[in-house]
Amino acid sequence: EPEVTQTPSHQVTQMGQEVILRCVPISNHLYFYWYRQILGQKVEFLVSFYNNEISEKSEIFDDQFSVERPDGSNFTLKIRSTKLEDSAMYFCASTPRGGGHDTQYFGPGTRLTVL
Amino acid sequence: GQQLNQSPQSMFIQEGEDVSMNCTSSSIFNTWLWYKQDPGEGPVLLIALYKAGELTSNGRLTAQFGITRKDSFLNISASIPSDVGIYFCAGRSDRGSTLGRLYFGRGTQLTVWP
Repeated sequence: EPEVTQTPSHQVTQMGQEVILRCVPISNHLYFYWYRQILGQKVEFLVSFYNNEISEKSEIFDDQFSVERPDGSNFTLKIRSTKLEDSAMYFCASTPRGGGHDTQYFGPGTRLTVL
Repeated sequence: GQQLNQSPQSMFIQEGEDVSMNCTSSSIFNTWLWYKQDPGEGPVLLIALYKAGELTSNGRLTAQFGITRKDSFLNISASIPSDVGIYFCAGRSDRGSTLGRLYFGRGTQLTVWP
């Protein structure tokens, strides 16, 4: 069964460094999402992406964050200058067409630790 | 933002018992979803509900989309040890042709004793 994949599974970085989290959505899906989950808390929406542009972003997704679909398969989340509070699990999700009965399928996540 | 209240926060039950958890929202959703998350993994979709009043089953799991569109519940019958995990409700309000973001509840941590 097709699934969303994410790399790396765990990323450790120093505060102030840039990180890029990578996702490969399910191949025929058109809508892509990033969510994050701070340890012990609920999953929170960051951004949705369709047709090579951001569809919606939350208040968390400030100027330090950016997303890109550099080729036909990868979907990336970049954090330009990481802060301690960026430490969290980051989940990528995708959905086929975005409407009706489509649901979002989540990847296994990348655990980001900012020191 | 939209607030989802999920309860209970945690449950400790014996194998074979039935489980019930629910979510209420401060606003209307078009879709209710129930996910399960195992430690270190991403949420896995269990049941999706698209219509007010809809009752849907997936094996031992049954979920309902509340008539008011502001609530949903999930029941697990005859629990087994592999049911252990965190269960999240999620709601979605679609706008036009754009698939809306998911709003998640805080989760219900389920522990099943053999």
